[in-house]
Amino acid sequence: TQLLEQSPQFLSIQEGENLTVYCNSSSVFSSLQWYRQEPGEGPVLLVTVVTGGEVKKLKRLTFQFGDARKDSSLHITAAQPGDTGLYLCAGARNSNYQLIWGAGTKLIIKP
Amino acid sequence: ETGVTQTPRHLVMGMTNKKSLKCEQHLGHNAMYWYKQSAKKPLELMFVYNFKEQTENNSVPSRFSPECPNSSHLFLHLHTLQPEDSALYLCASSPDGIGGNTIYFGEGSWLTVV
Repeated sequence: TQLLEQSPQFLSIQEGENLTVYCNSSSVFSSLQWYRQEPGEGPVLLVTVVTGGEVKKLKRLTFQFGDARKDSSLHITAAQPGDTGLYLCAGARNSNYQLIWGAGTKLIIKP
Repeated sequence: ETGVTQTPRHLVMGMTNKKSLKCEQHLGHNAMYWYKQSAKKPLELMFVYNFKEQTENNSVPSRFSPECPNSSHLFLHLHTLQPEDSALYLCASSPDGIGGNTIYFGEGSWLTVV
Protein backbone atom coordinates (compact mmCIF):
# COMPACT_ATOMS: atom_id res chain seq x y z
CA THR A 1 0.00 0.00 0.00
CA GLN A 2 1.40 3.38 -0.96
CA LEU A 3 1.34 6.05 1.69
CA LEU A 4 1.85 9.74 1.63
CA GLU A 5 2.95 10.97 5.04
CA GLN A 6 2.43 14.59 5.94
CA SER A 7 4.22 16.37 8.75
CA PRO A 8 3.59 17.98 11.05
CA GLN A 9 0.01 16.87 11.65
CA PHE A 10 -0.76 20.12 13.44
CA LEU A 11 0.95 23.50 13.55
CA SER A 12 -0.08 26.67 15.39
CA ILE A 13 2.07 29.77 14.93
CA GLN A 14 1.87 33.53 15.20
CA GLU A 15 1.10 35.79 12.28
CA GLY A 16 4.26 36.83 10.47
CA GLU A 17 6.23 33.65 11.11
CA ASN A 18 7.51 31.30 8.41
CA LEU A 19 6.69 27.60 8.23
CA THR A 20 7.27 24.50 6.15
CA VAL A 21 5.10 21.42 5.84
CA TYR A 22 6.22 18.19 4.27
CA CYS A 23 4.73 15.40 2.20
CA ASN A 24 6.85 12.25 1.97
CA SER A 25 6.59 8.85 0.36
CA SER A 26 8.77 5.90 -0.55
CA SER A 27 7.04 5.77 -3.93
CA VAL A 28 7.59 7.82 -7.07
CA PHE A 29 4.74 9.97 -8.32
CA SER A 30 4.18 11.36 -11.79
CA SER A 31 2.75 14.52 -10.23
CA LEU A 32 1.77 15.86 -6.86
CA GLN A 33 -1.00 18.24 -5.93
CA TRP A 34 -1.47 20.48 -2.89
CA TYR A 35 -4.95 21.42 -1.71
CA ARG A 36 -6.15 23.72 1.05
CA GLN A 37 -9.39 23.02 2.92
CA GLU A 38 -10.89 25.81 4.99
CA PRO A 39 -13.36 25.05 7.79
CA GLY A 40 -16.78 24.14 6.39
CA GLU A 41 -15.49 23.87 2.83
CA GLY A 42 -14.17 21.20 0.51
CA PRO A 43 -10.49 21.06 -0.52
CA VAL A 44 -9.41 23.49 -3.23
CA LEU A 45 -6.39 22.94 -5.47
CA LEU A 46 -3.44 25.26 -4.86
CA VAL A 47 -0.83 23.85 -7.22
CA THR A 48 0.31 20.81 -9.19
CA VAL A 49 4.00 19.97 -9.49
CA VAL A 50 5.12 17.61 -12.21
CA THR A 51 8.89 17.78 -12.75
CA GLY A 52 11.49 16.56 -10.25
CA GLY A 53 13.09 19.56 -8.56
CA GLU A 54 10.32 21.88 -9.71
CA VAL A 55 9.61 24.97 -7.63
CA LYS A 56 6.34 26.88 -7.93
CA LYS A 57 5.39 30.07 -6.15
CA LEU A 58 1.91 31.30 -5.32
CA LYS A 59 2.30 34.68 -3.61
CA ARG A 60 3.78 33.82 -0.17
CA LEU A 61 3.54 30.05 -0.76
CA THR A 62 6.46 28.13 -2.29
CA PHE A 63 6.00 24.53 -3.38
CA GLN A 64 8.83 22.18 -4.23
CA PHE A 65 8.80 18.71 -5.75
CA GLY A 66 11.72 16.50 -4.74
CA ASP A 67 14.32 15.58 -7.36
CA ALA A 68 13.27 11.93 -7.14
CA ARG A 69 9.55 12.85 -7.23
CA LYS A 70 8.93 11.06 -3.92
CA ASP A 71 8.41 14.08 -1.70
CA SER A 72 7.25 17.65 -1.68
CA SER A 73 7.27 20.65 0.61
CA LEU A 74 5.17 23.75 1.10
CA HIS A 75 6.82 26.82 2.59
CA ILE A 76 4.77 29.80 3.73
CA THR A 77 6.51 33.12 4.29
CA ALA A 78 5.07 35.65 6.73
CA ALA A 79 1.98 33.59 7.49
CA GLN A 80 -1.37 35.37 7.70
CA PRO A 81 -4.57 34.34 9.56
CA GLY A 82 -6.12 33.74 6.13
CA ASP A 83 -3.63 30.89 5.62
CA THR A 84 -5.41 28.92 8.35
CA GLY A 85 -6.74 25.61 7.08
CA LEU A 86 -6.02 21.96 6.41
CA TYR A 87 -3.29 21.45 3.81
CA LEU A 88 -3.54 18.20 1.89
CA CYS A 89 -1.09 16.67 -0.56
CA ALA A 90 -2.14 14.11 -3.14
CA GLY A 91 0.10 12.10 -5.44
CA ALA A 92 -0.69 10.65 -8.84
CA ARG A 93 1.12 7.46 -9.76
CA ASN A 94 -0.07 7.41 -13.35
CA SER A 95 -3.24 7.94 -15.32
CA ASN A 96 -4.60 4.50 -14.44
CA TYR A 97 -4.80 5.12 -10.71
CA GLN A 98 -6.66 7.57 -8.59
CA LEU A 99 -4.89 10.05 -6.34
CA ILE A 100 -3.14 8.90 -3.16
CA TRP A 101 -3.91 11.33 -0.32
CA GLY A 102 -1.99 12.40 2.76
CA ALA A 103 -3.78 12.85 6.09
CA GLY A 104 -3.17 16.59 6.05
CA THR A 105 -1.49 19.29 8.11
CA LYS A 106 -3.84 21.42 10.16
CA LEU A 107 -2.43 24.94 10.24
CA ILE A 108 -3.61 27.71 12.57
CA ILE A 109 -2.20 31.21 12.24
CA LYS A 110 -2.89 33.36 15.29
CA PRO A 111 -3.28 37.13 14.88
CA GLU B 1 -18.43 28.48 -5.29
CA THR B 2 -16.63 25.52 -6.81
CA GLY B 3 -19.36 24.39 -9.20
CA VAL B 4 -20.11 21.26 -7.14
CA THR B 5 -23.16 21.48 -4.90
CA GLN B 6 -23.97 19.01 -2.16
CA THR B 7 -27.17 18.59 -0.15
CA PRO B 8 -27.88 18.31 2.66
CA ARG B 9 -24.94 20.01 4.36
CA HIS B 10 -25.74 18.30 7.65
CA LEU B 11 -27.58 15.05 8.30
CA VAL B 12 -28.30 13.20 11.52
CA MET B 13 -29.76 9.75 11.10
CA GLY B 14 -30.51 6.73 13.19
CA MET B 15 -28.99 3.36 12.42
CA THR B 16 -32.27 2.06 11.00
CA ASN B 17 -32.99 5.07 8.78
CA LYS B 18 -32.66 5.37 5.02
CA LYS B 19 -31.42 8.67 3.63
CA SER B 20 -29.64 9.97 0.55
CA LEU B 21 -26.91 12.49 -0.15
CA LYS B 22 -27.17 14.46 -3.38
CA CYS B 23 -24.47 16.03 -5.51
CA GLU B 24 -24.70 18.16 -8.66
CA GLN B 25 -21.85 19.57 -10.70
CA HIS B 26 -22.14 22.50 -13.11
CA LEU B 27 -18.66 22.18 -14.62
CA GLY B 28 -19.40 19.94 -17.58
CA HIS B 29 -17.16 17.22 -16.16
CA ASN B 30 -17.49 13.55 -17.02
CA ALA B 31 -16.20 11.98 -13.81
CA MET B 32 -17.74 12.16 -10.35
CA TYR B 33 -16.51 10.85 -7.02
CA TRP B 34 -17.57 10.14 -3.46
CA TYR B 35 -14.91 10.53 -0.77
CA LYS B 36 -15.13 9.97 2.99
CA GLN B 37 -13.16 12.33 5.22
CA SER B 38 -12.50 11.43 8.86
CA ALA B 39 -10.33 13.38 11.29
CA LYS B 40 -6.59 12.71 11.01
CA LYS B 41 -7.06 10.18 8.21
CA PRO B 42 -6.32 10.49 4.48
CA LEU B 43 -9.29 11.07 2.23
CA GLU B 44 -10.86 7.69 1.45
CA LEU B 45 -12.02 7.27 -2.12
CA MET B 46 -15.32 5.40 -2.10
CA PHE B 47 -16.69 5.41 -5.65
CA VAL B 48 -15.75 6.76 -9.07
CA TYR B 49 -18.11 7.23 -11.99
CA ASN B 50 -16.77 8.04 -15.44
CA PHE B 51 -19.32 8.84 -18.14
CA LYS B 52 -22.04 7.49 -15.79
CA GLU B 53 -20.32 4.12 -15.46
CA GLN B 54 -18.92 3.03 -12.11
CA THR B 55 -15.20 2.50 -12.59
CA GLU B 56 -14.10 2.11 -9.00
CA ASN B 57 -15.58 0.76 -5.77
CA ASN B 58 -13.01 0.64 -3.01
CA SER B 59 -14.49 -2.23 -1.01
CA VAL B 60 -17.21 0.01 0.36
CA PRO B 61 -19.82 -1.75 2.53
CA SER B 62 -23.14 -2.38 0.80
CA ARG B 63 -24.92 -0.09 3.25
CA PHE B 64 -23.57 2.68 0.97
CA SER B 65 -25.20 2.55 -2.46
CA PRO B 66 -24.21 5.06 -5.17
CA GLU B 67 -26.33 6.14 -8.10
CA CYS B 68 -25.25 8.21 -11.10
CA PRO B 69 -28.22 8.94 -13.40
CA ASN B 70 -26.17 11.29 -15.62
CA SER B 71 -22.77 12.97 -15.70
CA SER B 72 -24.01 15.93 -13.66
CA HIS B 73 -25.70 14.16 -10.76
CA LEU B 74 -24.50 11.70 -8.15
CA PHE B 75 -26.31 10.23 -5.17
CA LEU B 76 -25.19 8.23 -2.18
CA HIS B 77 -27.99 6.18 -0.68
CA LEU B 78 -27.51 5.31 2.98
CA HIS B 79 -29.20 2.55 4.96
CA THR B 80 -28.56 0.76 8.26
CA LEU B 81 -25.43 2.78 8.89
CA GLN B 82 -23.15 2.37 11.89
CA PRO B 83 -21.87 5.10 14.24
CA GLU B 84 -18.38 4.72 12.74
CA ASP B 85 -19.80 5.89 9.43
CA SER B 86 -20.14 9.37 10.91
CA ALA B 87 -17.85 11.60 8.82
CA LEU B 88 -17.74 14.32 6.20
CA TYR B 89 -18.77 12.95 2.81
CA LEU B 90 -17.29 14.88 -0.09
CA CYS B 91 -18.56 14.77 -3.62
CA ALA B 92 -16.16 15.79 -6.36
CA SER B 93 -15.83 15.95 -10.12
CA SER B 94 -13.04 16.11 -12.68
CA PRO B 95 -12.91 16.48 -16.47
CA ASP B 96 -12.53 12.71 -16.79
CA GLY B 97 -11.57 9.81 -14.59
CA ILE B 98 -7.88 9.87 -15.48
CA GLY B 99 -5.62 9.78 -12.43
CA GLY B 100 -3.82 13.03 -11.75
CA ASN B 101 -6.65 15.27 -12.88
CA THR B 102 -7.52 18.22 -10.69
CA ILE B 103 -10.39 17.26 -8.41
CA TYR B 104 -13.13 19.83 -7.76
CA PHE B 105 -14.84 19.24 -4.44
CA GLY B 106 -18.19 20.23 -3.06
CA GLU B 107 -18.51 21.65 0.44
CA GLY B 108 -19.36 18.26 1.88
CA SER B 109 -22.21 16.67 3.79
CA TRP B 110 -21.61 16.17 7.51
CA LEU B 111 -23.17 12.87 8.52
CA THR B 112 -23.81 11.86 12.10
CA VAL B 113 -25.15 8.37 12.80
CA VAL B 114 -26.78 7.98 16.20
